[in-house]
Amino acid sequence: DAKTTQPPSMDCAEGRAANLPCNHSTISGNEYVYWYRQIHSQGPQYIIHGLKNNETNEMASLIITEDRKSSTLILPHATLRDTAVYYCIVRVDGSSNTGKLIFGQGTTLQVKP
Amino acid sequence: KAGVTQTPRYLIKTRGQQVTLSCSPISGHRSVSWYQQTPGQGLQFLFEYFSETQRNKGNFPGRFSGRQFSNSRSEMNVSTLELGDSALYLCASSLIGLPNTGELFFGEGSRLTVL
Repeated sequence: DAKTTQPPSMDCAEGRAANLPCNHSTISGNEYVYWYRQIHSQGPQYIIHGLKNNETNEMASLIITEDRKSSTLILPHATLRDTAVYYCIVRVDGSSNTGKLIFGQGTTLQVKP
Repeated sequence: KAGVTQTPRYLIKTRGQQVTLSCSPISGHRSVSWYQQTPGQGLQFLFEYFSETQRNKGNFPGRFSGRQFSNSRSEMNVSTLELGDSALYLCASSLIGLPNTGELFFGEGSRLTVL
């Protein structure tokens, strides 16, 4: 699985969009980009994932560059409850490795009032 | 539906003892994975079980073991506990087969303190 690079920390004002970058320059053609977050003292929570097209769900949007070497997770209107550690993970999807995720250090997002 | 349930939530052991942690996955989920989280090493994959068989394993010593039962519930065991085993142990379940988004559902974890 390709490695990812994320800034260790970011701040965002409440109500503003939070844009969390992730570099994955060694990503392979069959590797997906996943985002999870972990709020203090809780288990990680799935946010979104994509292969090459931009994706949006009720929680966030995922923008993947055309060369797929980087991506950005967008929380459109950050709230205090979005304060968490955000993990960008790259992996090949397949039934033989469904449960295996390689977590990096992630980005600690602090949403401020 | 109920989420992933882990028991116990907190426990304290002493060096040399062993511990067993339990995980009940979401109903219908047949894959169960275990992770260790420490301040120094972050979140690390321990192993994954599917249909009572271990099919993926992380880089941990043999003191860490697990098993899965026919009802998909899983247990992990750590023998001869060391101070460095103090951690939050997280269990995650996932659906195998369609619809499979690749999403893992994590429990709240079992926090182990080794004295």
